[in-house]
Amino acid sequence: KQEVTQIPAALSVPEGENLVLNCSFTDSAIYNLQWFRQDPGKGLTSLLLIQSSQREQTSGRLNASLDKSSGRSTLYIAASQPGDSATYLCAIYGNKLVFGAGTILRVKS
Amino acid sequence: DAGVTQSPTHLIKTRGQHVTLRCSPISGHKSVSWYQQVLGQGPQFIFQYYEKEERGRGNFPDRFSARQFPNYSSELNVNALLLGDSALYLCASSLYPNRQGSSYEQYFGPGTRLTVT
Repeated sequence: KQEVTQIPAALSVPEGENLVLNCSFTDSAIYNLQWFRQDPGKGLTSLLLIQSSQREQTSGRLNASLDKSSGRSTLYIAASQPGDSATYLCAIYGNKLVFGAGTILRVKS
Repeated sequence: DAGVTQSPTHLIKTRGQHVTLRCSPISGHKSVSWYQQVLGQGPQFIFQYYEKEERGRGNFPDRFSARQFPNYSSELNVNALLLGDSALYLCASSLYPNRQGSSYEQYFGPGTRLTVT
């Protein structure tokens, strides 16, 4: 059974700081990994999708890496802004899509 | 092109009632999945449908059921509502369902917020 853990559960940083969100999974037989953003009470916004054959993906200030052998992914956010405040979810594609519980990020101005 | 749409946006029901939630996939997508997200947790997989057939089921009681129509839209039904069914219900569509050896990116709708009182 695939289990996904996200650390930390919550993070508060000053504006401009670079930060790393962590995602670990127990079963390395994955197809893809995807990072989502969720604003309070809203649906999911896709940030980055990493296919199992890739090691990283970049979009603007975001960079996500994938290490299947160690069961880890990281989401790096450069030069954080107050608008980045949201919950960040990691999801693993296997026989079904399995989500972590998320990291609540607050960027203070 | 329109994304995944869900209706209604919000819904308030009383314990013991029945509810039906609706989802329209992205044009050309043939598979629909449903997820439940309770406050403070990540979404949990409920069902996946492909061409009107159930292709996967999560660990939810039989009070939860779903179906997919010929136009690939889908309904999620929940009977005998409990307070614990209060959650955001998310629908996602993909070209095809998950299958051995491959998976297809899922695109999520805005969700339906269900409150059971």
